[in-house]
Amino acid sequence: NAGVTQTPKFQVLKTGQSMTLQCAQDMNHNSMYWYRQDPGMGLRLIYYSASEGTTDKGEVPNGYNVSRLNKREFSLRLESAAPSQTSVYFCASPRGYEQYFGPGTRLTVT
Amino acid sequence: QKEVEQNSGPLSVPEGAIASLNCTYSDRGSQSFFWYRQYSGKSPELIMSIYSNGDKEDGRFTAQLNKASQYVSLLIRDSQPSDSATYLCAVRSGAGSYQLTFGKGTKLSVIP
Repeated sequence: NAGVTQTPKFQVLKTGQSMTLQCAQDMNHNSMYWYRQDPGMGLRLIYYSASEGTTDKGEVPNGYNVSRLNKREFSLRLESAAPSQTSVYFCASPRGYEQYFGPGTRLTVT
Repeated sequence: QKEVEQNSGPLSVPEGAIASLNCTYSDRGSQSFFWYRQYSGKSPELIMSIYSNGDKEDGRFTAQLNKASQYVSLLIRDSQPSDSATYLCAVRSGAGSYQLTFGKGTKLSVIP
């Protein structure tokens, strides 16, 4: 039982490149979340999916798109990466009201 | 704008002492409160949740909630060097919402 998994762990992109961050959970939870964490800014919600087939914007959605592929998987896409998107990205899935986080993806955009 | 405020620290305590971490929140309708521990380079790990006024104890950890004062705290008794981490306070606002608002975290250093 891996809980929440994320790939890749690390990524370096050049400005303008695109990539997709993958998240999967094996806990059979309905909802999934994407956060970014920046020094001095705390964790900020990018997008979330309350259930399969639904997605909603969080606090900082600009520059990102998401896909809830099925109940297990929730991906985050950067269409044209910018240096401001350099961050650590966490996927989370709640059991009840308690959210459980994946190991994170450290993304650097040069 | 829902806000969750924490002192950024660092908070330094000697080994064996009690560490006291504090958090205030702006939304009076908040329903659930959580403390996460985050080691450097790692993901946040849930250590305590509290839903009603009063104290909740789990091992060396005690969470305290005062909704009237919009204040939640975490006490760590018999602090150990392994407790050195950043502690994040998170608040869930409103019935039916699963979204959390996080504070920026307090960095705790336990000095041997």
